[in-house]
Amino acid sequence: QLQLQESGPGLVKPSETLSLTCTVSGGSISSSSFYWGWIRQPPGKGLEWIGSIYYSGSTYYNPSLKSRVTISVDTSKMQFSLKLRSVTAADTAVYYCARDRRLLWFGELTPIFDYWGQGTLVTVSS
Amino acid sequence: SYELTQPPSVSVSPGQTASIPCSGDKLGDKYASWYQQKPGQSPVLVIYQGYKRPSGIPERFSGSNSGNTATLTIGGTQAMDEADYYCQTWDRNTVVFGGGTKLTVL
Repeated sequence: QLQLQESGPGLVKPSETLSLTCTVSGGSISSSSFYWGWIRQPPGKGLEWIGSIYYSGSTYYNPSLKSRVTISVDTSKMQFSLKLRSVTAADTAVYYCARDRRLLWFGELTPIFDYWGQGTLVTVSS
Repeated sequence: SYELTQPPSVSVSPGQTASIPCSGDKLGDKYASWYQQKPGQSPVLVIYQGYKRPSGIPERFSGSNSGNTATLTIGGTQAMDEADYYCQTWDRNTVVFGGGTKLTVL
């Protein structure tokens, strides 16, 4: 059974960089048809996709966050990571990592998120 | 940017059918997926590509997508179905989530 586990600091100061890692177990991070994604959820609010990465390093980012986000992958460690720069209180959220499975839909590979980590709360505060 | 709109809340009586709509411009030309999220838990995929159910999802969950609206339907709603539900699609290489609908079973 595939499992994903987020790790990283639970408290980040304003203007600093939020860094999280997701460790994948029970499957291969290098499997074809799978990207690996980050999604966040501010307290009491809805889901927001941050971005996704393929094992080769190819990435897709949410345009609203693209200028501050970097997602990277380390296949040897079965991990992928998120860096979000210049954080503010608005970045306080539960951050989830998830498997981004690509399915063919009228000639286009489209994503669904079929396995999720448990989520980790990151608070931005001084 | 593309937007998906959901009603904030839907109520249903136990045993009845619940319908949760998700609207977006020409959404029927895209695919729609649905996620269930219970308090304190991670989201769970319940419907993908409009109507397909992942393994382990009860048959009472079904989906449709036409025109500008995708709909998640829960037949014979049970108390355990009380949760937040989010629709999701893909537009111009961007994942889009709806704002979520809180389903209350009362």
